[in-house]
Amino acid sequence: GAVVSQHPSWVICKSGTSVKIECRSLDFQATTMFWYRQFPKQSLMLMATSNEGSKATYEQGVEKDKFLINHASLTLSTLTVTSAHPEDSSFYICSARTSETDTQYFGPGTRLTVL
Amino acid sequence: GENVEQHPSTLSVQEGDSAVIKCTYSDSASNYFPWYKQELGKRPQLIIDIRSNVGEKKDQRIAVTLNKTAKHFSLHITETQPEDSAVYFCAARYSSASKIIFGSGTRLSIRP
Repeated sequence: GAVVSQHPSWVICKSGTSVKIECRSLDFQATTMFWYRQFPKQSLMLMATSNEGSKATYEQGVEKDKFLINHASLTLSTLTVTSAHPEDSSFYICSARTSETDTQYFGPGTRLTVL
Repeated sequence: GENVEQHPSTLSVQEGDSAVIKCTYSDSASNYFPWYKQELGKRPQLIIDIRSNVGEKKDQRIAVTLNKTAKHFSLHITETQPEDSAVYFCAARYSSASKIIFGSGTRLSIRP
């Protein structure tokens, strides 16, 4: 149980385009989902916390108009990187948490490369 | 602000020896401390966690200790094996915002 999927697993896009990444909890309902970004050889940096049916809470320094997060259902959250630039190239990982436990289950990540 | 510090950044131990990774956190209200193992290009995998009402937890070769007074927690891996080589992250859940903040990571290498 407690499986989280992400799609796509990797994406290459041109500078200036937008990219949408999906995060799904496959066998449980996730009241809260989190989006992280990880640059090579660095830690996971929390970008935003997403609660189903409400606006995401962004961490300091993360542009909410650039990284659009939608958590429309208890099993799906999406992150859209708008007007992507090469510096947005990174490994984006989502995680999901149930309302019953503190355990976070991570998705497999999406490697974004912006040319 | 919320902060989790982790040491060392790299650690090399002989196979069969023990490895210890230490972390400190800043929010005294934190109540949940997971440890994750991440292999290159893969998702973090939860290996053990501890809650604030417990001082120590053990699972086979892995143990975690928590000192709430000092706001320290540590990961202990005994009888290390080559497959233990990975990056390990400590984390702390900040109760006020219900989010988990990660330490900077420790790259553990096991020498054969």
